[in-house]
Amino acid sequence: DQQVKQNSPSLSVQEGRISILNCDYTNSMFDYFLWYKKYPAEGPTFLISISSIKDKNEDGRFTVFLNKSAKHLSLHIVPSQPGDSAVYFCAASEGSGGGADGLTFGKGTHLIIQP
Amino acid sequence: NAGVTQTPKFQVLKTGQSMTLQCAQDMNHNSMYWYRQDPGMGLRLIYYSASEGTTDKGEVPNGYNVSRLNKREFSLRLESAAPSQTSVYFCASSRWTSGGHGELFFGEGSRLTVL
Repeated sequence: DQQVKQNSPSLSVQEGRISILNCDYTNSMFDYFLWYKKYPAEGPTFLISISSIKDKNEDGRFTVFLNKSAKHLSLHIVPSQPGDSAVYFCAASEGSGGGADGLTFGKGTHLIIQP
Repeated sequence: NAGVTQTPKFQVLKTGQSMTLQCAQDMNHNSMYWYRQDPGMGLRLIYYSASEGTTDKGEVPNGYNVSRLNKREFSLRLESAAPSQTSVYFCASSRWTSGGHGELFFGEGSRLTVL
């Protein structure tokens, strides 16, 4: 059963507007969440993370929101730029192992920024 | 800095052939991972090594073996390749230690086709 779900395979947004990517999780033991960005023919690169003790984390144009009660997180990109066109993966880890046993990834959302 | 380096980048095998994917990291990280990415499936963990000298199965270990040769190197071996192992393989590393959290750093990927 999928523990991290990204229900939108793709999302199209106009340049300059806000992009909102959503992620839901089912495992209540997850306590650390990350977003990765992936361009074609490249490996995923880390974008932003959030610990379960917070509900928001900002880094420049990128903000991640966490709603623990709903087991939901979202990534906001403001303003969206053409270089943001990529596949975005939501990922999570459990606290017990310190995360050394890897991350659980969603299936990804392909974000397309239109000029 | 090279970061995480994977070889080869591309490989075509016939069913039943064997091969080894090599991975090396120069960031002095403790933990290393092998993931595979398939269309519509996201990234799935094959094996991981939380520290030098240890290896553990991930979500999809069948048909694979791994070796943590030293702190820098973590190889993935397919003993008898099957068409179902056609995929893009990513090696990753992390500075994770017990009780801590951190992001994974990925290599550029190895595209394997099994005919």
